[in-house]
Amino acid sequence: DQQVKQNSPSLSVQEGRISILNCDYTNSMFDYFLWYKKYPAEGPTFLISISSIKDKNEDGRFTVFLNKSAKHLSLHIVPSQPGDSAVYFCAASAIQGAQKLVFGQGTRLTINP
Amino acid sequence: GAVVSQHPSRVICKSGTSVKIECRSLDFQATTMFWYRQFPKQSLMLMATSNEGSKATYEQGVEKDKFLINHASLTLSTLTVTSAHPEDSSFYICSARALSTGYLDQPQHFGDGTRLSIL
Repeated sequence: DQQVKQNSPSLSVQEGRISILNCDYTNSMFDYFLWYKKYPAEGPTFLISISSIKDKNEDGRFTVFLNKSAKHLSLHIVPSQPGDSAVYFCAASAIQGAQKLVFGQGTRLTINP
Repeated sequence: GAVVSQHPSRVICKSGTSVKIECRSLDFQATTMFWYRQFPKQSLMLMATSNEGSKATYEQGVEKDKFLINHASLTLSTLTVTSAHPEDSSFYICSARALSTGYLDQPQHFGDGTRLSIL
């Protein structure tokens, strides 16, 4: 039962353009959502998060949008840079879930020069 | 930013050996740490939640006698893979969350993982 889904295993974007990574979830109890960036053989690096009381959170080039009715969140990166090439994981947690994170499968983002 | 150190980064050992992995929060205190496992090209799967001063909480299907967790202080948790076999070979990652008054205040920060290979 995959509660958090990233349906695109890979995404290729031109440098300077916008990258949009998508994530869907099924558990309506999730109230905190996070995006992590991961390089091979390294642990995930926290990028940005959003709580369910908001629908948008912005931090520099990164913006996360949350659509609770659709149980969908997205990460926008603009402008995209070559250093953004990595695997991106979305994760979700519920306050009743004792802070446990449920991860999506990841999307490999490649930024082309 | 918050730093989590995980050691060793890579272990290669013979079947039957026990392996200990350390996870330290370097610049913050963490009452709760988490241990994940990642198989190739798959997502991170939570194995257990490590609570300082109390027993760890294991996810369904994870053998607590196989994966021993000790959270001795607010900055250190250890995972010991006992009598490791080739099927235990995997990428193990820990995370820690800083003490906070609010549930939504602090994200989990991850170590760089340990690549365990059992021959």
